[in-house]
Parts: sequence; structure tokens; C-alpha cells
Amino acid sequence: QSVLTQPPSVSAAPGQKVTISCSGSSSNIGNNYVSWYQQLPGTAPKLLIYDNNKRPSGIPDRFSGSKSGTSATLGITGLQTGDEADYYCGTWDTSLSAGGVVFGGGTKLTVL
Amino acid sequence: QLQLQESGPGLVKPSETLSLTCTVSGGSISNPNYYWGWIRQPPGKGLEWIGSIYYSGSTYYNPSLKSRLTLSVDTSKTQFSLKLTSVTAADTAVYYCARTRGLREIDYWGQGTLVTVSS
Repeated sequence: QSVLTQPPSVSAAPGQKVTISCSGSSSNIGNNYVSWYQQLPGTAPKLLIYDNNKRPSGIPDRFSGSKSGTSATLGITGLQTGDEADYYCGTWDTSLSAGGVVFGGGTKLTVL
Repeated sequence: QLQLQESGPGLVKPSETLSLTCTVSGGSISNPNYYWGWIRQPPGKGLEWIGSIYYSGSTYYNPSLKSRLTLSVDTSKTQFSLKLTSVTAADTAVYYCARTRGLREIDYWGQGTLVTVSS
């Protein structure tokens, strides 16, 4: 049971847009920055979005992030088959029970 | 370009101690802007943060692992390490070492190493 809640899977056709949600609480998303990671099959995760909506150098602007209250969203436009991967949201949690970095359970993106 | 490389046994017996080391190259482990940490991923499952350590040695541990976990750092060798005691099959996972910008995003990851707990 992950602290942050993501849909298990999403799908869309090439060229289309998809959004992935990440829901948390005031002890995590509500008061901390959110980051997003892409994990291609058999590889380590890669940072896609940090500080809610910033992209590291080299990440195309097809990827975007937003945050509102205790939820965050990753958007991907112009879907490509190479975008098929697992996507994770992450943030810091200040509660006694979590006390550190927490992740969502991951969302598997299928590009039909 | 910063690189992180995990090393350690790929097979550990139940009840024994899992020990891994991460070697950092291409950057300073003593940079005050970053923490160094461990994340694991059981086969077919999601990511779980294990803990993070600062170059000074201060640590943050996952509360669910805290009683079994020790992180350490050796700045002279540009390495940081993980020790997890009393392992069970539930500790079988790919273990990643990583760099965290402050206590925020994880911006560099190692390639990961699979550790299997089995007799």
C-alpha cells in the first residue's frame, strides 16, 4: 500500500495526450515539492519532473507537471511508442509513520 | 557526468546481513547540496525508499526499516554504504543507490543491483 495513490495503468494512441494523477495528503504533496520518474523496462528510473513542474535538461517539453493542493499530475503530449514505461510520483513526507521519501505505486503507460 | 555504481553480493541467506556499497564518480560526495540514498524495488513491484545520508553522516531512515538499517559514508573513498540486518525473502529486490538534491528530487540513479535472499 503506497502512501501516494496513482492509477495502475493508462493508455492512449500515438500522438495523443495522457495524464497521470498522484494523490496524497497535507503531510506529503500538500506541503512539499513533487517529482516524477520514468522507468523504461529493465532500466533504472529517470527524473522527468522536479519541483512540481520543472524539467531537467534534456527532457522534452512534451512532459509537464502540475500540482494543486494534495494532488499532482503528469502530462505527456504527442505520445510516442518510446514513452511506454512505468511512471512514479515522489515527494517528501513529514509524518512520523512515513518520515522520508514516499512514492506512488506506479502507473504503466501503454501507447496503443 | 556523475555516475553511481552499486556493488555487493547478489545472494544473501535469510537472517544474515545485506551489505551494499555505492561508488560515486564524476562529482563530489561532499557537495553540501546533496544527500545520497538507497531505493529498492522488489521484482514486479514499485519503488521503496530505504534511507538517505549526508556527507557529514546525518541520516534519514525509512521508519519501517529503521531497526535493521545502517547507512554510512566514506568521503575519502567517495562511497556510501548500506547494511540491512536479519533479512528475509521480503528483502529480495533491485537495490538502487542515488543522489537527492537536498531532500527533494532524486536526480541521479545507479543502474541497480539485484539482491536475492534465499538459502
